[in-house]
Amino acid sequence: GAGVSQSPSNKVTEKGKDVELRCDPISGHTALYWYRQSLGQGLEFLIYFQGNSAPDKSGLPSDRFSAERTGGSVSTLTIQRTQQEDSAVYLCASSLAGGGVETQYFGPGTRLLVL
Amino acid sequence: EDQVTQSPEALRLQEGESSSLNCSYTVSGLRGLFWYRQDPGKGPEFLFTLYSAGEEKEKERLKATLTKKESFLHITAPKPEDSATYLCAVPDYGQNFVFGPGTRLSVLP
Repeated sequence: GAGVSQSPSNKVTEKGKDVELRCDPISGHTALYWYRQSLGQGLEFLIYFQGNSAPDKSGLPSDRFSAERTGGSVSTLTIQRTQQEDSAVYLCASSLAGGGVETQYFGPGTRLLVL
Repeated sequence: EDQVTQSPEALRLQEGESSSLNCSYTVSGLRGLFWYRQDPGKGPEFLFTLYSAGEEKEKERLKATLTKKESFLHITAPKPEDSATYLCAVPDYGQNFVFGPGTRLSVLP
């Protein structure tokens, strides 16, 4: 079956612009995660959605970052007024259920470069 | 605070030269340990889940083992296509994974 898909695969933007990154999880997966991976760094948790529950936003680095998940499926991560330090690979993952113990399946990532 | 460390940071092997990668964790009440492989420019690809000390899982040339404080990923007779970054992760107290920094494995022909 289809895996997690993300778009765009690459995004180059200018400092101060807003960007939107999209994630389409595996069909039937109720949990969705966003991570950030900076060059040479490990994966940094950003936000978690589980069904219709309020999202866990504890990993968002600043109020410039926000995310939504519409209809329990597609999610959009928005970064407002981008800064150069936002340059990274943004990875989305989904799992069959939440609870933190289900295997997470990752998309290919969106590579964001802020000039 | 839950922590996951991995060693070595990088490993270079000759084709056929077996070795092991280490993942150490500090987490109360381990609920699973996950191994992933990540190729350059791609997202992590799931390999194994281990749930209890003493458990072992195998896939082709890879075998993962788990103790109470660490996990090992054994690579037997590696091939160049096994070159990748290997990540381990544990669920934290909440709903997400804490990932280690990874081990970059290079297998030379």
